[in-house]
Amino acid sequence: SYELTQPPSVSVSPGQTAKITCSGDALPQQHASWYQQKAGQAPVLLIYEDSERPSGIPERFSGSSSGTTVTLTISGVQAEDEADYYCQSADTTTSYVKFGGGTKLTVL
Amino acid sequence: DVQLLESGGDLVQPGGSLRLSCAASGFTFQNYGMGWVRQAPGKGLEWVSAISGSGYRSHYADSVKGRVTISRDNAKNMVFLQMNGLRVDDTGVYFCAKIISGDGYSLGAMDVWGQGTTVTVSS
Repeated sequence: SYELTQPPSVSVSPGQTAKITCSGDALPQQHASWYQQKAGQAPVLLIYEDSERPSGIPERFSGSSSGTTVTLTISGVQAEDEADYYCQSADTTTSYVKFGGGTKLTVL
Repeated sequence: DVQLLESGGDLVQPGGSLRLSCAASGFTFQNYGMGWVRQAPGKGLEWVSAISGSGYRSHYADSVKGRVTISRDNAKNMVFLQMNGLRVDDTGVYFCAKIISGDGYSLGAMDVWGQGTTVTVSS
């Protein structure tokens, strides 16, 4: 089955840069998206098609792709960025959508 | 303003059925695929199902295939999730989401989400 693997947790100090990775065998062929979810709230789309940012999303959020890994980079981390982050991709050959297990970002 | 509002969540016994609804507003509904994503208590996001803008194509996660049917009414700007044979592990918050691309594609990123409706399966 199609799996996406994320680290369970990432910690960073305010003002520093956080990188959250997502690995999957199909990622070289499929685009990935990234979502932020704060406690008790619905997810928010941060990045789509590996590196595109929807309107209204701050420029400090960026995405990149290399081989079987996609990366969400948060520059100048702020306290308000503390949340769970999920990658997502679709295997269009099987019409199957998958989320990564999620990464809890802690701002120290 | 683009909005999605889910309803229909409830407490139901194992083996029971529920129909979740999602009312959409603020965009040309028929042009966009729609999806359902769930989240068990304390767990991560799990994609459940998606439907194309026309309603002709639908897709399901293996965990719900054969028990769940997604449908939509483009005249009423609504999408539905009929769930039968509910199991304890179907418990969670169910989110309705809009697919970002305006070509009716159903497997893309989800740019608008509702606040969710809670399904509890317990005896």
